[in-house]
Amino acid sequence: KNEVEQSPQNLTAQEGEFITINCSYSVGISALHWLQQHPGGGIVSLFMLSSGKKKHGRLIATINIQEKHSSLHITASHPRDSAVYICAVYSGNTPLVFGKGTRLSVIA
Amino acid sequence: DADVTQTPRNRITKTGKRIMLECSQTKGHDRMYWYRQDPGLGLRLIYYSFDVKDINKGEISDGYSVSRQAQAKFSLSLESAIPNQTALYFCATSDQGAYGYTFGSGTRLTVV
Repeated sequence: KNEVEQSPQNLTAQEGEFITINCSYSVGISALHWLQQHPGGGIVSLFMLSSGKKKHGRLIATINIQEKHSSLHITASHPRDSAVYICAVYSGNTPLVFGKGTRLSVIA
Repeated sequence: DADVTQTPRNRITKTGKRIMLECSQTKGHDRMYWYRQDPGLGLRLIYYSFDVKDINKGEISDGYSVSRQAQAKFSLSLESAIPNQTALYFCATSDQGAYGYTFGSGTRLTVV
């Protein structure tokens, strides 16, 4: 089974700071998801990537397949970015395996 | 209407009771999943189904059962609820491979 580790577990930032959340996994994958869960529970997919880099607004996700590592960056962070960010990996024909999440709080 | 609908949203039940959580989807996806989320443990897979005739156990299936009544419906049952099944339960769907993962809004279950 793929082991997915996220760091840090908790992160507090001042508004405007550049934020990085890391994800590493133990077994080769074909795709990786970054998801966001706001207080109240709903989970939404932010990115799915299998190589390189993707950008959506102030969010940037990168992946290094050889190093089994991905990062999620948030530029110019804002209090509305406060949420739990979850990394999940896909390999073979099996369901996603999830990390435990990183709880981000952005203070105005 | 939401793409993936879970009912109920919240439920309090007593130890030993049978309870069913329901999930329906309008995405047209073949694949459906049930996860539970506990603080500090992340999302863990209970059961999954890749099509109507396919049911598979996940990593924490003990104490749970499922039924895939149609492509659009996937129900999770707790035959005899116990307090350590208190958790937030999510249904999700996906297309082939890793595409299109869509989550329901979750069911908060409390077993007293």
